[in-house]
Amino acid sequence: GAVVSQHPSRVICKSGTSVKIECRSLDFQATTMFWYRQFPKQSLMLMATSNEGSKATYEQGVEKDKFLINHASLTLSTLTVTSAHPEDSSFYICSAFLSGTSSYEQYFGPGTRLTVT
Amino acid sequence: GDSVTQMEGPVTLSEEAFLTINCTYTATGYPSLFWYVQYPGEGLQLLLKATKADDKGSNKGFEATYRKETTSFHLEKGSVQVSDSAVYFCALSGGNFNKFYFGSGTKLNVKP
Repeated sequence: GAVVSQHPSRVICKSGTSVKIECRSLDFQATTMFWYRQFPKQSLMLMATSNEGSKATYEQGVEKDKFLINHASLTLSTLTVTSAHPEDSSFYICSAFLSGTSSYEQYFGPGTRLTVT
Repeated sequence: GDSVTQMEGPVTLSEEAFLTINCTYTATGYPSLFWYVQYPGEGLQLLLKATKADDKGSNKGFEATYRKETTSFHLEKGSVQVSDSAVYFCALSGGNFNKFYFGSGTKLNVKP
């Protein structure tokens, strides 16, 4: 099946610094990728939809200037958490939408655990 | 708007017991329905899906039937194993498949 990778898997950073998380579709092209945030023992919250070659679409309540998304190619989307604070600590998961088929499913990356100290 | 409601956990069962995790949805149009599984420290994996009413998704002994009349997609397995211990998420995708909506997740603990 389709594979999506994320890098890094874990990152610890100091408050006020920025962190970049990469999401790659390894064996298919994804015109659309999604970024989710998962709090402990809670469901996934969709943060934004990342479209190749255009600006990301953010969900209500998500600060676009804080969570910068760049979908530079058909296989890569990046999420940059700018000026991170401890409340940004979370599990960030990306997914890629396999378009052009009838499967209509998203393939999820393994997630990135961000800890801001 | 579109949403998914699933039963709260945790659900604790003995090995070989029967499993049901309830999931109901609210959606405009005709969504596709999914069950995803998340093992500790990992991302989500697709378990099964159904794209239209009365479809039955099945995988690894798990089944779920898309019931439009009751707006439900309950997950069942006849005999659970310890290795099935994980968090299970019900999800729907709207007509244009651009957004997924997830339930809150149900943690399953299977004891030997």
